[in-house]
Amino acid sequence: QSVLTQPPSMSAAPGQKVTISCSGSSSNIGNNYVSWYQQFSGAAPKLLIYDNYRRPSGIPDRFSASKSGTSATLGITGLQTGDEADYYCGTWDSSLSAWVFGGGTKLTVL
Amino acid sequence: QVQLVQSGAEVKKPGSSVKVSCKSSGDTFNTYKISWLRQAPGQGLEWMGGIVPLFATPKSAQNFQGRLTITADGSTSTVYMELTSLTSADTAVYYCARDDYSLNFLDPWGQGTLVTVSS
Repeated sequence: QSVLTQPPSMSAAPGQKVTISCSGSSSNIGNNYVSWYQQFSGAAPKLLIYDNYRRPSGIPDRFSASKSGTSATLGITGLQTGDEADYYCGTWDSSLSAWVFGGGTKLTVL
Repeated sequence: QVQLVQSGAEVKKPGSSVKVSCKSSGDTFNTYKISWLRQAPGQGLEWMGGIVPLFATPKSAQNFQGRLTITADGSTSTVYMELTSLTSADTAVYYCARDDYSLNFLDPWGQGTLVTVSS
């Protein structure tokens, strides 16, 4: 059971938009920065978003994110088949003194 | 540009230990934190612990306390993760990642090391 809650799977057609939710509590999302990671099958996770909404250099602006209270959201517009991957939210949990993650969302672009 | 390169895959017997290395290149090693995470087959990410080499004081997640040792060698810019008393539940891909603990993000990640525990 993951500390952060994400939908296990989502799907959308190419060109469409999808939003992935990540729900936590005051000890994690509510008081710490959220980051998002993209993981292709068989590869290491890659940083997609940090500081709740900032994109590292090289990440296209089709990827966006926000945080409100104890929840965070990742948005992907103009979906491409190459976006098919697992997406994880993560943050520090001040009560657990540990990194915590969502269980991951498998995105399918039909 | 920091790069993290991990040691190769391991096959271990139940009850034994494994030690995985993570070598850093391209940036100042001692002052940033390195975290270790793992991912069991078909599962999500689990944080194990981390270390700031300059301070050499590792921190482990509660689930691993007593079994996990994280050390750093500044002379080779390498961080090590040793896990003892292995069981089949420890079969996973183990990752190291640079941990920006002020902004809470992990980047970059090592390529991963598959540890298989099997009799």
